Amino acid sequence: DQQVKQNSPSLSVQEGRISILNCDYTNSMFDYFLWYKKYPAEGPTFLISISSIKDKNEDGRFTVFLNKSAKHLSLHIVPSQPGDSAVYFCAASVESGTYKYIFGTGTRLKVLA
Amino acid sequence: SAVISQKPSRDICQRGTSLTIQCQVDSQVTMMFWYRQQPGQSLTLIATANQGSEATYESGFVIDKFPISRPNLTFSTLTVSNMSPEDSSIYLCSVVGQLSTDTQYFGPGTRLTVL
Repeated sequence: DQQVKQNSPSLSVQEGRISILNCDYTNSMFDYFLWYKKYPAEGPTFLISISSIKDKNEDGRFTVFLNKSAKHLSLHIVPSQPGDSAVYFCAASVESGTYKYIFGTGTRLKVLA
Repeated sequence: SAVISQKPSRDICQRGTSLTIQCQVDSQVTMMFWYRQQPGQSLTLIATANQGSEATYESGFVIDKFPISRPNLTFSTLTVSNMSPEDSSIYLCSVVGQLSTDTQYFGPGTRLTVL
């Protein structure tokens, strides 16, 4: 039972354009969401997070949107750069501070120069 | 952020043997975790490594199969016991720093192949 789903295993985007990575979840008790980025042979690195009391959080080129009624979140990267090419994981937890994250299977983003 | 190293970075092991993976952090941390990522799958939490006491295991994971030690605030080990090909995965250590942010930092992972 996959509680956090990333239905697109891969995505290709032209440099300078917007990248949109999507994530759906099934557990309505989730109240904290995160995005991690992973390069080959490295561990995932934290990118951005959002609490369920918000519907948007922005950090530079990265914005996460949360739609609680649809149980959907998305990560927007604008403008996309070749260095953004990586695997992106979304994760969710029942309570901020428990650190018990449920991860999605990841989306591989390729930004074309 | 904490700098985390894992040893070994990769290994190929025979069925029925055991492998111990080490996780070293360059600063004291409050919490340490062990995850597994099976091929094509998401990261799955195995257990929370507790300093000076038994680890707290998630559903589906048991101490006999995945014994964990955490002797201090900067070091932990995970042993994969009596391995089978189904244990072939990437094993990752993660930590939460003493500043207690809501962020986990991950080590580079150990890629294990069981023949």
